[in-house]
Amino acid sequence: EDQVTQSPEALRLQEGESSSLNCSYTVSGLRGLFWYRQDPGKGPEFLFTLYSAGEEKEKERLKATLTKKESFLHITAPKPEDSATYLCAVQRNTGNQFYFGTGTSLTVIP
Amino acid sequence: DAGITQSPRHKVTETGTPVTLRCHQTENHRYMYWYRQDPGHGLRLIHYSYGVKDTDKGEVSDGYSVSRSKTEDFLLTLESATSSQTSVYFCAISPSKGEAFFGQGTRLTVV
Repeated sequence: EDQVTQSPEALRLQEGESSSLNCSYTVSGLRGLFWYRQDPGKGPEFLFTLYSAGEEKEKERLKATLTKKESFLHITAPKPEDSATYLCAVQRNTGNQFYFGTGTSLTVIP
Repeated sequence: DAGITQSPRHKVTETGTPVTLRCHQTENHRYMYWYRQDPGHGLRLIHYSYGVKDTDKGEVSDGYSVSRSKTEDFLLTLESATSSQTSVYFCAISPSKGEAFFGQGTRLTVV
């Protein structure tokens, strides 16, 4: 059965304190792994797609990496505006459904 | 924002009544999805569509039906609303390959 597990559930960081969020997955035939950001009361906002182990993507203070079993979202020198819930999702080679983890709630304290 | 509009944005309804939520896209994407989001469960797929009149069930489809008569519209119907269907509902769209884009959500309360 496909499974996506995110850790930690919640993370509090001081402004400027770098850290990483984890997304571990089991899926039969991965087409892609996706990272989203969700602010309270809003829909998830797409950040990155990773397709193969070893791939990396960067956007401002965020960098996503992928191995055969997990993905990391590295946050470098975070700012309070990076506070949000970060969601990870996987998509199989067959079918077009997206399976989501329960997210990591990130709070960055000034 | 991707061209996705959900309506209504908020709704309160009574137990046992039918409810229809609408998702409208302007991107001409093939795939459309309905998810519900609940604390502790994350986003769970209810139904999805891979073309006009082509739909399939997701992991939490009981009590829900969908229809897609036009590429741009995907309707989610709660046949007889129950309190357990109180949730935030998100529509998403995606092209044949690639990421999904989400609407702003509909907050549904069943009393």
